[in-house]
Parts: sequence; C-alpha cells; structure tokens
Amino acid sequence: KQEVTQIPAALSVPEGENLVLNCSFTDSAIYNLQWFRQDPGKGLTSLLLIQSSQREQTSGRLNASLDKSSGRSTLYIAASQPGDSATYLCAVSSGNEKLTFGTGTRLTIIP
Amino acid sequence: DTGVSQDPRHKITKRGQNVTFRCDPISEHNRLYWYRQTLGQGPEFLTYFQNEAQLEKSRLLSDRFSAERPKGSFSTLEIQRTEQGDSAMYLCASSRSLEAFFGQGTRLTVV
Repeated sequence: KQEVTQIPAALSVPEGENLVLNCSFTDSAIYNLQWFRQDPGKGLTSLLLIQSSQREQTSGRLNASLDKSSGRSTLYIAASQPGDSATYLCAVSSGNEKLTFGTGTRLTIIP
Repeated sequence: DTGVSQDPRHKITKRGQNVTFRCDPISEHNRLYWYRQTLGQGPEFLTYFQNEAQLEKSRLLSDRFSAERPKGSFSTLEIQRTEQGDSAMYLCASSRSLEAFFGQGTRLTVV
C-alpha cells in the first residue's frame, strides 16, 4: 500500500527566503507526482506535475524535483512572499488512476 | 473553461438525514473522482468514473454512500442516514490525461 509522508508538518519562514518542502513515498512504482496548494477551507490548486520519467518541473518561482528510486520529491519555492502562505500537498499516482496524498505542510511566510 | 464546480459549498444536516452533492467537471474531461478530506489530513480517495462507468470504489465508501455519473458529465454523491463521522470536506476532481483538477469542495457538517 502506497504511503506518502510530508515533513515538516508546519514551517514558518521570513519573507524573501528560499525554502524546500519534502515529500516521500514508500512504493517507487509511480506514474506521476503532483504538488498542490490548498488555502484554508478551499479546494486544491494544482501547482506542478512530474511524470515518472522526468526529474523536475518548473513554474515561475516553483521548482519540483523527483527521485523515483529513493522515493522522494522536493518543492522549492524561491523568494517567498506572504501570498505563498498555504498548505502544500503532494500526491502520487501509481497507475490505478487514484491519487494518494500526504498530510501536507502548512507554510507561513512572515512579512 | 470554468474549472470544476461543486454544489453546495457548505451543507449542515442533522444526523440521520440524507444529503446529495453535485460535481460538474471541466468539459471534455472523461475522468471524474471523489475524495474526502478531514481536518489536518490529506484527501482520501472515494471513487472514480471514466465517462459514466464507475471503475473503482474505496473501502471508505460504505453502503450508505452512492455515486453516479449518469451521462458521463456531472456526478452526484449521496450519503444516506448521515453520521457525525461523515463530517468532512468532499472534493471532486476531473482529468483528461495525467493532471487532476479539483473543485472548491463541499463542506459537510453533521449535527
């Protein structure tokens, strides 16, 4: 059974700093990994999707990497802003269409 | 393309009542998913449709839960005889290929 872990559960950093969020998964036989953002009481916004054959994806200030063999992904956020404050979730697809999610990292950017 | 739409956004119901939620996926997305999210947790898979066919159901989906997608477009999720443990955010997602797009969710509170 696939299990996804995100550490830390919460993170506070001053505005302007670069930061890294971590995601690990137990079964390396994945099809893709997706990072989402969730604001309080809201749905999920897709940030980046990395296919299993890819090593990284970039979108603006966000860069996600994938090391399938070690079961790890990181989300790098450059030059953080207060608007980046949210919960970040990673999810993996193991080819059976459903996503298995981690419990998320709650990020707070301090102005 | 207006994104995935869910209705209602919030629902408060008394224990024992039946409730029904609706999800309108992004047009031309043939895959539709339902997830449930409780406070502080990541979303958990409930069920998946490809067009009108329900292809997978989680063990979380007890006999009190039923989902339909009658014409391969919108979907409904019904919960019969609601219990306090059903209180959660119910999220719908749709996809056409690899990337899943989520709606804003329906927050259910059972009192």
